[in-house]
Amino acid sequence: DADVTQTPRNRITKTGKRIMLECSQTKGHDRMYWYRQDPGLGLRLIYYSFDVKDINKGEISDGYSVSRQAQAKFSLSLESAIPNQTALYFCATSDFRGEQFFGPGTRLTVL
Amino acid sequence: SQELEQSPQSLIVQEGKNLTINCTSSKTLYGLYWYKQKYGEGLIFLMMLQKGGEEKSHEKITAKLDEKKQQSSLHITASQPSHAGIYLCGAAPGGSNYKLTFGKGTLLTVNP
Repeated sequence: DADVTQTPRNRITKTGKRIMLECSQTKGHDRMYWYRQDPGLGLRLIYYSFDVKDINKGEISDGYSVSRQAQAKFSLSLESAIPNQTALYFCATSDFRGEQFFGPGTRLTVL
Repeated sequence: SQELEQSPQSLIVQEGKNLTINCTSSKTLYGLYWYKQKYGEGLIFLMMLQKGGEEKSHEKITAKLDEKKQQSSLHITASQPSHAGIYLCGAAPGGSNYKLTFGKGTLLTVNP
């Protein structure tokens, strides 16, 4: 089984809808991250969390919120989706050494 | 903020050829990570470099960090179609090892 899983893998939604992307990990890492990837812009950090009570904004947090329900679970929400949030979203985890392990990604399309 | 510039943006090589991808930072690199991504899929960790002059190899891929710690190169020897994908470098600001900034990636195509 994969160490970092993301659900759903693909999602098409409409402008204004609320969307939640979920991430689970079995690596036992404390640190979890959400990134989005866009063509020509690379990977950009949305939010990161060091533990359940420590959540921090990344480079592009506007329009997003997160919840760290447990050490192993970190979800990303789009309260009111808009078309420029169409992207490939990745969850990642790491321990104190820094090597990040990525999930398979969620392809989100906002119409 | 730290910016990473990768070159080339894309590369097409014939199977068996050697190639090099570069990653240049606007600031000193305290930790440089190389990842590979197959199109539309997750990132796979390749190597991490921390010390000036450090060099690491895994199978046919060698990564180096220059002495000044502002540039890293990824070299693939005798490329194979399995090497095809997007290669990304990532770095953390200052002495931290989280909150990575990534380059925009280099798309490698290996023709059989």
